[in-house]
Amino acid sequence: SQKIEQNSEALNIQEGKTATLTCNYTNYSPAYLQWYRQDPGRGPVFLLLIRENEKEKRKERLKVTFDTTLKQSLFHITASQPADSATYLCAPGVSGNTGKLIFGQGTTLQVKP
Amino acid sequence: GAGVSQSPRYKVAKRGQDVALRCDPISGHVSLFWYQQALGQGPEFLTYFQNEAQLDKSGLPSDRFFAERPEGSVSTLKIQRTQQEDSAVYLCASSYVAGGTDTQYFGPGTRLTVL
Repeated sequence: SQKIEQNSEALNIQEGKTATLTCNYTNYSPAYLQWYRQDPGRGPVFLLLIRENEKEKRKERLKVTFDTTLKQSLFHITASQPADSATYLCAPGVSGNTGKLIFGQGTTLQVKP
Repeated sequence: GAGVSQSPRYKVAKRGQDVALRCDPISGHVSLFWYQQALGQGPEFLTYFQNEAQLDKSGLPSDRFFAERPEGSVSTLKIQRTQQEDSAVYLCASSYVAGGTDTQYFGPGTRLTVL
């Protein structure tokens, strides 16, 4: 069955450092992959989408890579700030479906001042 | 503009009671999704509407769960005879177009606690 794995342990880093979060998937071939941010008590908020023919995508301090051979996406936040502290969810997607999202369990990031 | 809103934000039910959770999507959004999120987990898909048509209900865990969107805008998720395992946050999301990679906008969720 399809499986999406994110590091369930919280990631603690110092302000100013680069945070790197991992999303691994097995038993399917997504055409694209989305990353969402979720704060406590709130719904997820879309951050970035990367397609299978794109190796890397950037948005401000965010960078996402997508390696279809390794079946892995990496999500980087450079020059991290305490305001970046949240849970980050990956959601690989398959073309032609309804657009429903299949999420990983999320990784919680804590950026300490 | 207004985002996706959900009501109530919190609901406490006794086991066996019926509950109804409401979602007001962004005006004009064709697609509407319901997800269930257990504590410490990512959201899990429940059902999908394209306008008023329920095109995918493969994620509904049992026939106690029922969703509708009769006029293609507001949606209601109903859970009959609630059980303790139904305790979770129920998230609604909408997107402008049907299917594909269009960004989904999530509401704040309804936290359901079944005692």
